[in-house]
Amino acid sequence: NAGVTQTPKFQVLKTGQSMTLQCAQDMNHNSMYWYRQDPGMGLRLIYYSASEGTTDKGEVPNGYNVSRLNKREFSLRLESAAPSQTSVYFCASSEWQPHNYGYTFGSGTRLTVV
Amino acid sequence: AQSVTQPDIHITVSEGASLELRCNYSYGATPYLFWYVQSPGQGLQLLLKYFSGDTLVQGIKGFEAEFKRSQSSFNLRKPSVHWSDAAEYFCAVGAVLMYSGGGADGLTFGKGTHLIIQP
Repeated sequence: NAGVTQTPKFQVLKTGQSMTLQCAQDMNHNSMYWYRQDPGMGLRLIYYSASEGTTDKGEVPNGYNVSRLNKREFSLRLESAAPSQTSVYFCASSEWQPHNYGYTFGSGTRLTVV
Repeated sequence: AQSVTQPDIHITVSEGASLELRCNYSYGATPYLFWYVQSPGQGLQLLLKYFSGDTLVQGIKGFEAEFKRSQSSFNLRKPSVHWSDAAEYFCAVGAVLMYSGGGADGLTFGKGTHLIIQP
């Protein structure tokens, strides 16, 4: 099925460990995004890539880095995990044609930092 | 910068009653507006979206929303709720960056409204 695939679905890290969250989309979308979701906060944008070859900071970029590997893949890296990064992470991609616009979200990665 | 306000953190509605969830946005140009629903432990499901045209938008599961530019609102409605509608609802606003080949700089979400359905 076409869509956005995130790996892993669950992860437990110790404080100070590093990890990379992977995201791939097969819809040929130009733009891709990483969000985090915390209780009572909605979803907040961490980083985005409006098109292949570009990345920009969102609302909460501190402690994260991203790589737009190609048009399909957009990864999120935590270099030194902290308990404050315990969250559910969602990757998304978007299409912006005049009569076909919208976002497709992955199923999420639940990350716990202990 | 754009922003979204969902004034109601929790709403309790009796099964079969009508529902209205409020959403107010702040954005300098014509926004793209979305409503999403999220069941516990699940991802986001798109209910409906709006950019232009008819200001009353029909979505899935019997939901509709009305765009009111003068009030900067995009409220979600359903005439008769079902127990399965219990979930978290998010309103979101977005924009298109025309100078990025039509790419977009992400959605701004409200903090969500938790809908509880009473039997």
